[in-house]
Amino acid sequence: DAKTTQPTSMDCAEGRAANLPCNHSTISGNEYVYWYRQIHSQGPQYIIHGLKNNETNEMASLIITEDRKSSTLILPHATLRDTAVYYCIVRVVRNNAGNMLTFGGGTRLMVKP
Amino acid sequence: DAGITQSPRHKVTETGTPVTLRCHQTENHRYMYWYRQDPGHGLRLIHYSYGVKDTDKGEVSDGYSVSRSKTEDFLLTLESATSSQTSVYFCAISRTDLYGYTFGSGTRLTVV
Repeated sequence: DAKTTQPTSMDCAEGRAANLPCNHSTISGNEYVYWYRQIHSQGPQYIIHGLKNNETNEMASLIITEDRKSSTLILPHATLRDTAVYYCIVRVVRNNAGNMLTFGGGTRLMVKP
Repeated sequence: DAGITQSPRHKVTETGTPVTLRCHQTENHRYMYWYRQDPGHGLRLIHYSYGVKDTDKGEVSDGYSVSRSKTEDFLLTLESATSSQTSVYFCAISRTDLYGYTFGSGTRLTVV
């Protein structure tokens, strides 16, 4: 699975959009981009994933560049409860087992009042 | 988390004793995973299961065994607990490999 690079930490004002970047310049054609977050002492939480097209759900939007070498997770109106470590993961989807999630260091997002 | 529970939530045990952690799901998902999380190492996969009685090793499987005799239960056993196995253990489930994983709330294990 391709490696990802994320900033170590970011701040965001409450109510503003939080834009979290992820670089995955070695991504291959069959690798998906996944985002998870982990709020302190809780289990990681799945946010969104995509392959080529931009995706949106009730939690966030995922913007993938046309060359797929980078992506941005957007939390449209950040709240204090969005303070967490956000992980960008690139992985191949397989039909059977044997595929793990590899969590890197992630971005520590601090939402401030 | 909805549909997945881990037990116990906290456990303190002595070195050399066997310990079993339980992950129970009500989602009927095929895939189940055990991860451990340690400072400086992030989350690391211990074992996973892709069906009843179908399990395989992850990247840090030494000292651990698993069993899955029913779809809903995935047990992680530390055969002889060591202090290096002090960690937070997370179970996760997924419907297929494409979908996101749902993680449990974790078990904090301390080996003294």
